[in-house]
Amino acid sequence: EDQVTQSPEALRLQEGESSSLNCSYTVSGLRGLFWYRQDPGKGPEFLFTLYSAGEEKEKERLKATLTKKESFLHITAPKPEDSATYLCAVPAGTGANSKLTFGKGITLSVRP
Amino acid sequence: DSGVTQTPKHLITATGQRVTLRCSPRSGDLSVYWYQQSLDQGLQFLIQYYNGEERAKGNILERFSAQQFPDLHSELNLSSLELGDSALYFCASSADAGGIEQYFGPGTRLTVT
Repeated sequence: EDQVTQSPEALRLQEGESSSLNCSYTVSGLRGLFWYRQDPGKGPEFLFTLYSAGEEKEKERLKATLTKKESFLHITAPKPEDSATYLCAVPAGTGANSKLTFGKGITLSVRP
Repeated sequence: DSGVTQTPKHLITATGQRVTLRCSPRSGDLSVYWYQQSLDQGLQFLIQYYNGEERAKGNILERFSAQQFPDLHSELNLSSLELGDSALYFCASSADAGGIEQYFGPGTRLTVT
């Protein structure tokens, strides 16, 4: 069964203190790995898609990387507005459908 | 703004009742997905529709059903509600059935009292 595990569950950083969030996955035939940001009470906001090991994508202070077993979301010099829950997900099933299996998320708090 | 809309934003109802949640996908998207998010379970896939047809089912209870209409909007019907059904319900859409990149709506918060 496809599984996605995120760690740590929560992370508290000082503004400007860089860190990484981990997403480990077990899936047969990876068809992509997705990172989402979710603010409290709101819908997940799409951040990145990674398709193959070695791929990297960047957006402002965020950089996502992918290996054969895990993905990292690196946050460089975070600001308080980066505080949110970060979710990773993989598509399960065949190409005819793509239900996403999500990890439980990492709640990031950035203190000014 | 993802372009996916959901109504209502909040819903409070009693046990045993039935409710309908509505979702309009992004313009041009043919697939609609429903997810449930509770504090202890995280985001759980319920069901997918593509161009009016059911494509995939997750851990959706028999008391729950969904459909997608010709104009591509979708409705999720929840009946015989129980306290444990209280959760955030999200709709997502994607361009095709393979649905790699899914865009989520703002959600409906359901509270069952």
